[in-house]
Amino acid sequence: GAGVSQSPSNKVTEKGKDVELRCDPISGHTALYWYRQRLGQGLEFLIYFQGNSAPDKSGLPSDRFSAERTGESVSTLTIQRTQQEDSAVYLCASSPRRTLAKNIQYFGAGTRLSVL
Amino acid sequence: AQSVSQHNHHVILSEAASLELGCNYSYGGTVNLFWYVQYPGQHLQLLLKYFSGDPLVKGIKGFEAEFIKSKFSFNLRKPSVQWSDTAEYFCAVRSTGGGNKLTFGTGTQLKVEL
Repeated sequence: GAGVSQSPSNKVTEKGKDVELRCDPISGHTALYWYRQRLGQGLEFLIYFQGNSAPDKSGLPSDRFSAERTGESVSTLTIQRTQQEDSAVYLCASSPRRTLAKNIQYFGAGTRLSVL
Repeated sequence: AQSVSQHNHHVILSEAASLELGCNYSYGGTVNLFWYVQYPGQHLQLLLKYFSGDPLVKGIKGFEAEFIKSKFSFNLRKPSVQWSDTAEYFCAVRSTGGGNKLTFGTGTQLKVEL
């Protein structure tokens, strides 16, 4: 299909609520990544899935953040008990099955999360 | 931990001016280097990449970047910018010892005036 698809494009929530963000990778891409971009900052790595391997969760900022991915398809990033500092653009990327040396990440348009 | 520095946060140029955006990284091992661009209202797109070989790499729309290992730098250049180059530019690095994640700089907002 087309590129990486993310939904919703915008999400406004109240502090303390849970939110779910969705990412549809490019068809055939085995690797999927979540990044966060706070205002005025660069992208910050959150989590990485590669096929059936255990995900690399080293970038998750707290236990309120979790992500799932079933096989090589859709991924959901969940933020529980949202805080105002969670406000950011959450970006998803995917990459095809190739050696790491040639791996390019393709990004979605992101979900802009605003916590009031 | 690896880090990426982009020292120019905002750059304003007139059309036809030359562009150089700085990017420095901190990692002593083998790296892959990238420049991504985000045009207004659009998603991040790959501008160019360095994996190995010739340290001078050419990307889309007349952009190029030079990898200087001794300086830990990967500066982006374009001889003559156009109004349509107005965008935010991000440098990113992936280290072979850092898994598959990208570490990004904070970005440079480029505005090209007519």
